[in-house]
Amino acid sequence: AQSVTQLGSHVSVSEGALVLLRCNYSSSVPPYLFWYVQYPNQGLQLLLKYTSAATLVKGINGFEAEFKKSETSFHLTKPSAHMSDAAEYFCAVSDAGGTSYGKLTFGQGTILTVHP
Amino acid sequence: DGGITQSPKYLFRKEGQNVTLSCEQNLNHDAMYWYRQDPGQGLRLIYYSQIVNDFQKGDIAEGYSVSREKKESFPLTVTSAQKNPTAFYLCASRAPGGNGYTFGSGTRLTVV
Repeated sequence: AQSVTQLGSHVSVSEGALVLLRCNYSSSVPPYLFWYVQYPNQGLQLLLKYTSAATLVKGINGFEAEFKKSETSFHLTKPSAHMSDAAEYFCAVSDAGGTSYGKLTFGQGTILTVHP
Repeated sequence: DGGITQSPKYLFRKEGQNVTLSCEQNLNHDAMYWYRQDPGQGLRLIYYSQIVNDFQKGDIAEGYSVSREKKESFPLTVTSAQKNPTAFYLCASRAPGGNGYTFGSGTRLTVV
């Protein structure tokens, strides 16, 4: 079984401040991990993914995440927030076609607000 | 360009009616998925299909049905048995190898 917990349903930062969105996962097999962003009434856009290569993953729009197996974490960061980063962010885990048939399991989501 | 098309974008349904949401992909992906999104609950899996003519129930399949007669198409029917169908529905497909997912732009269903 696999699960994802996102700590904090709402995060608020000032423009130019560090963005940190927390994600912890549980998986019985080596996981694939993902961060997605969603703007209102739209689908999901992939920010970055971890697929057992480098533990520090760089994504689009200046985001990055670090896979820490000992902490079962995959936190998302960005050094300097922009107003355009305001959206909802989802962390997800997959077993990549294993016993869960590649199903993505999502966290509850974190709404990021960016203040001027 | 390849992608997933969901239609319609907005859908209104009267209580007691069945309604079908369309999902079409031209990515040549075998695996397809339907998710339901509610505020504060993330995305929950309704049904998934690994190959044509085969599909399995996800975590919240009650009140929903699907078919997979063609590789490109994975329609979802919301039946009158679904107690609370108002939600945002997302369709996705997965590339071979397991780590490439593509999402549609979603259908917002409202029961009136």
